Amino acid sequence: GAGVSQSPSNKVTEKGKDVELRCDPISGHTALYWYRQSLGQGLEFLIYFQGNSAPDKSGLPSDRFSAERTGGSVSTLTIQRTQQEDSAVYLCASSLVPTGLSNQPQHFGDGTRLSIL
Amino acid sequence: GDSVTQMEGPVTLSEEAFLTINCTYTATGYPSLFWYVQYPGEGLQLLLKATKADDKGSNKGFEATYRKETTSFHLEKGSVQVSDSAVYFCALSVNGGTSYGKLTFGQGTILTVHP
Repeated sequence: GAGVSQSPSNKVTEKGKDVELRCDPISGHTALYWYRQSLGQGLEFLIYFQGNSAPDKSGLPSDRFSAERTGGSVSTLTIQRTQQEDSAVYLCASSLVPTGLSNQPQHFGDGTRLSIL
Repeated sequence: GDSVTQMEGPVTLSEEAFLTINCTYTATGYPSLFWYVQYPGEGLQLLLKATKADDKGSNKGFEATYRKETTSFHLEKGSVQVSDSAVYFCALSVNGGTSYGKLTFGQGTILTVHP
């Protein structure tokens, strides 16, 4: 079966533009997580979805960042008015049920490399 | 808050050498512990996990034991191969209550194995 799929794999955009990053989790996985991997900050949690709800948004760095999930499947992370410090690899992960409730491991996509000029 | 500290890298070894990558953690609850690996040009893959004290996770010749008394989860392999060259991340997930299992990662350790 297919793994977690993310698109685009690379995105280059100008400062101030909006970007949308997409994540297709493994079929049947109810939990979905977004992380960011950057040189200065390492791997950081951004947001968690259970179904279409986001009970934990504590990692979103500013109100320019938002995310949604529809149909309990695809998720989109949107960054508005991008800044150079937003340059990073954005990773999506999914698990069958939330890791915290079951110790189910998270399966990661290959990420979207975002570069802000 | 929760945190994970890994040994400073990069680590450079010759093939068949013994590998240890140290990992220690602090957690507000009772965490599950994980090692993830990122091969060049690829995404993060789960290498092994342990969910309670004294559990040993193992995979592909790698092992790590959950040591609650020392809050550690060191990664070991008896004989590394060139194909083990990658970045290794130690991570924890706190279970139960209002936690939803978000992973807290260490900073990563770059391993390079030479023939």
